[in-house]
Amino acid sequence: NAGVTQTPKFRILKIGQSMTLQCAQDMNHNYMYWYRQDPGMGLKLIYYSVGAGITDKGEVPNGYNVSRSTTEDFPLRLELAAPSQTSVYFCASSSSTGTANYGYTFGSGTRLTVV
Amino acid sequence: TQLLEQSPQFLSIQEGENLTVYCNSSSVFSSLQWYRQEPGEGPVLLVTVVTGGEVKKLKRLTFQFGDARKDSSLHITAAQPGDTGLYLCADVAGGSNYKLTFGKGTLLTVNP
Repeated sequence: NAGVTQTPKFRILKIGQSMTLQCAQDMNHNYMYWYRQDPGMGLKLIYYSVGAGITDKGEVPNGYNVSRSTTEDFPLRLELAAPSQTSVYFCASSSSTGTANYGYTFGSGTRLTVV
Repeated sequence: TQLLEQSPQFLSIQEGENLTVYCNSSSVFSSLQWYRQEPGEGPVLLVTVVTGGEVKKLKRLTFQFGDARKDSSLHITAAQPGDTGLYLCADVAGGSNYKLTFGKGTLLTVNP
C-alpha cells in the first residue's frame, strides 16, 4: 500500500550506541518530517526537508542528524544515544501543494528505548 | 511561536455518550487540522478547517472553527469504542504552507 514506511518498529539501544531510523515514502511528496512523541507532550519536530538535498532543523534537533539524498528516503541518525532520546519517532510526508488541504501522511512509528 | 492548548487532556466516557474537545490558540490560525491517533499508529487526518465560523461534519463527528479563527471544537455524538484514541489539533504554520504545529492532544477512551 502507498504511504510512509518506517523501520524498525521497535529498538532497544544502550547509552552511547548509534543507529539510523529509516523512513521511505512512495507518494512523490516533496516534504518530509521527523517528529518525536513523548507521553503528554504531543509531537515535536526534530528535522524536516522540503526536497532532496535540503534539510532544516526543527524544534528539538540536538542529538540527531538527517540526510535527504532522494525524494523517497529521509533517514534519521542518532549519534551517542542518551536516555532522553527514549521516545516514539514518527516520520511524515506531505506534498508541496497539499499540506494545508490534505495534511501529513504519517508512518506507524519507531519505539526507541535507550538503556 | 504559536501555542496550541487542547482540553481536556484526558476524557473517559461510556459508549453512547456525547463529548466535546477543544483546541485554542494564542494567535489566529492560518488553517486548522484535526488528527486522530490510534494506539500504536501514526496520526491520521480527519478534517481541515479554513474559514472562521466553518462547520464540517464527518459521520458522528462535528468540527467547528471559531469566528475569530483562534479556537476550534470537535464534538462526537453517541461515542463508540472505535472512537478511542488521541485527538490532535494542528496549525499550518502561517506562510510556510508545509509545517504543522501540534497541540498536546486529548486522550479519549470510550468504554463499552
